[in-house]
Amino acid sequence: NAGVTQTPKFQVLKTGQSMTLQCAQDMNHNSMYWYRQDPGMGLRLIYYSASEGTTDKGEVPNGYNVSRLNKREFSLRLESAAPSQTSVYFCASSEAPGWEKYFGPGTRLTVT
Amino acid sequence: KQEVTQIPAALSVPEGENLVLNCSFTDSAIYNLQWFRQDPGKGLTSLLLIQSSQREQTSGRLNASLDKSSGRSTLYIAASQPGDSATYLCAVINTGNQFYFGTGTSLTVIP
Repeated sequence: NAGVTQTPKFQVLKTGQSMTLQCAQDMNHNSMYWYRQDPGMGLRLIYYSASEGTTDKGEVPNGYNVSRLNKREFSLRLESAAPSQTSVYFCASSEAPGWEKYFGPGTRLTVT
Repeated sequence: KQEVTQIPAALSVPEGENLVLNCSFTDSAIYNLQWFRQDPGKGLTSLLLIQSSQREQTSGRLNASLDKSSGRSTLYIAASQPGDSATYLCAVINTGNQFYFGTGTSLTVIP
């Protein structure tokens, strides 16, 4: 099992460009999450999907959109990237909300 | 809002020493608590999950304890090794299924 996979691993964008971060899990988990990690701020929840067909905002959703494509895949879209979105983005999944979480390797995004 | 604190922010110990990492939280109405390890430039690896009804959980050289009434969890690492060097994060899951992460303790084990 690959667990949680994320693509791309690294990305550099110019201000105003758009991109989609991809996440997939092969553990048949119902719930999936997107976090960002910034120095001194810890991990902050952007959006989550408690189950297929549902999505909800987390702590820092502004500037992002998500799509739960199917049970396996959960994508994060930046419509118009800003330097404040420079961060490391992690996708995670769990069997149900509040259960043990498993994380992907992360995407390092720089917006210039 | 739940606040999770991990002290110290950094810790350096010689190889072979037993050590304790601390995690404290402000709201004792929690559902679970999970400990993670993060290596530089990598994602988070789950170490242990303690349910609110449990007092401790063990995996190999790791032992995590939970005292809900005092708002504290500890991660005990026995006979530390250089390979244990990483950042250790705790996450508190409240009864609304929200995760609150601490900012971590960076551990260095010196050979």
